[in-house]
Amino acid sequence: EAGVVQSPRYKIIEKKQPVAFWCNPISGHNTLYWYLQNLGQGPELLIRYENEEAVDDSQLPKDRFSAERLKGVDSTLKIQPAELGDSAVYLCASSPAGTTDTQYFGPGTRLTVL
Amino acid sequence: RKEVEQDPGPFNVPEGATVAFNCTYSNSASQSFFWYRQDCRKEPKLLMSVYSSGNEDGRFTAQLNRASQYISLLIRDSKLSDSATYLCVVNGGYNKLIFGAGTRLAVHP
Repeated sequence: EAGVVQSPRYKIIEKKQPVAFWCNPISGHNTLYWYLQNLGQGPELLIRYENEEAVDDSQLPKDRFSAERLKGVDSTLKIQPAELGDSAVYLCASSPAGTTDTQYFGPGTRLTVL
Repeated sequence: RKEVEQDPGPFNVPEGATVAFNCTYSNSASQSFFWYRQDCRKEPKLLMSVYSSGNEDGRFTAQLNRASQYISLLIRDSKLSDSATYLCVVNGGYNKLIFGAGTRLAVHP
């Protein structure tokens, strides 16, 4: 079974530029998460989707971050404009319907903002 | 105060040693608890769930003390391949996982 797929794996951009990350969850997983992980810290939830509905986006900085999961499968996270402090690893995870306890993570996108 | 707190380490131990990690959480209403493992520059992966009665999986034993809001992970007979960061994770309610910052383990020959 294929795992969570993310692209790109690495991205280097200059500040004020836009950037987008893509995630394809495990087939059949209704719940999709985007996390931010800073160096030396644990992942922090940005947004959680149940199918195409964002059910928890309380930690998403909405002035510059946006996300979508239009058909309830793959998802895109966007930052516009990027700031130096956005440099981090952006992790996507998914879980089957009915549970959020066991989450399967993708390899992440490592973003560097110069 | 962070919702989930861990000693960041690193714990440097020789092969074959027994090592224990501790974690405390602040939300007394938390219902489920886990340890995830994260290798350097890789994604976190579920290591084991933690139950009130304690549970064991091979060389790994997890314990939960709800009264003290304390979770532990014991690794016996450490292997080089156990070197990683161990993340303490709590379901903080509303189906939201809260991750600790992790404890780094380095097992040396």
